[in-house]
Amino acid sequence: GQSLEQPSEVTAVEGAIVQINCTYQTSGFYGLSWYQQHDGGAPTFLSYNGLDGLEETGRFSSFLSRSDSYGYLLLQELQMKDSASYFCAVRASDDKIIFGKGTRLHILP
Amino acid sequence: DSGVTQTPKHLITATGQRVTLRCSPRSGDLSVYWYQQSLDQGLQFLIQYYNGEERAKGNILERFSAQQFPDLHSELNLSSLELGDSALYFCASSVAVAGGQTQYFGPGTRLTVL
Repeated sequence: GQSLEQPSEVTAVEGAIVQINCTYQTSGFYGLSWYQQHDGGAPTFLSYNGLDGLEETGRFSSFLSRSDSYGYLLLQELQMKDSASYFCAVRASDDKIIFGKGTRLHILP
Repeated sequence: DSGVTQTPKHLITATGQRVTLRCSPRSGDLSVYWYQQSLDQGLQFLIQYYNGEERAKGNILERFSAQQFPDLHSELNLSSLELGDSALYFCASSVAVAGGQTQYFGPGTRLTVL
């Protein structure tokens, strides 16, 4: 079956750097996206990788290695407001969109 | 504010009933997606419409149906409701039919089936 795997929880300290990994197994691949969702809120788009390499957007960066079916989201200079769930997502060749189950990021002061 | 609107915000109904959820995409966006998010679960893709036509189908139950109208708003119809259908239902929109996957999510409709 098609699936995305990401850790269920990650804990980091305010001001530090944290990496959230995502491995995927899909039939076809049209890029990896990352979304942030605060409790009670809607997902918001963070980043997209269509090609291998690193994409940087402010404090957030995302990396993709298609040969390894792997990507990660890197959050730098963590702030308390970054406490949220982070989802990776892939559009497969049958155009279905598959989300990982999400990684809950806890930030300690 | 993403620019995507969903109504109603909350919906409480009984088993066996039918409900309709409504979504208006961002201005200029032709694609509309529907997702279901159950408690402590990830997002389950239900269906995508592009410019009025069904584009992709996910894990959508036969009791559920959707359509996109000429003005590009979309409706998700849920019938013969069961307790397990209680969830957050999100609509999202994007400019493109596929490719780069920037989707803008609405605030969601929380459905409670009693």
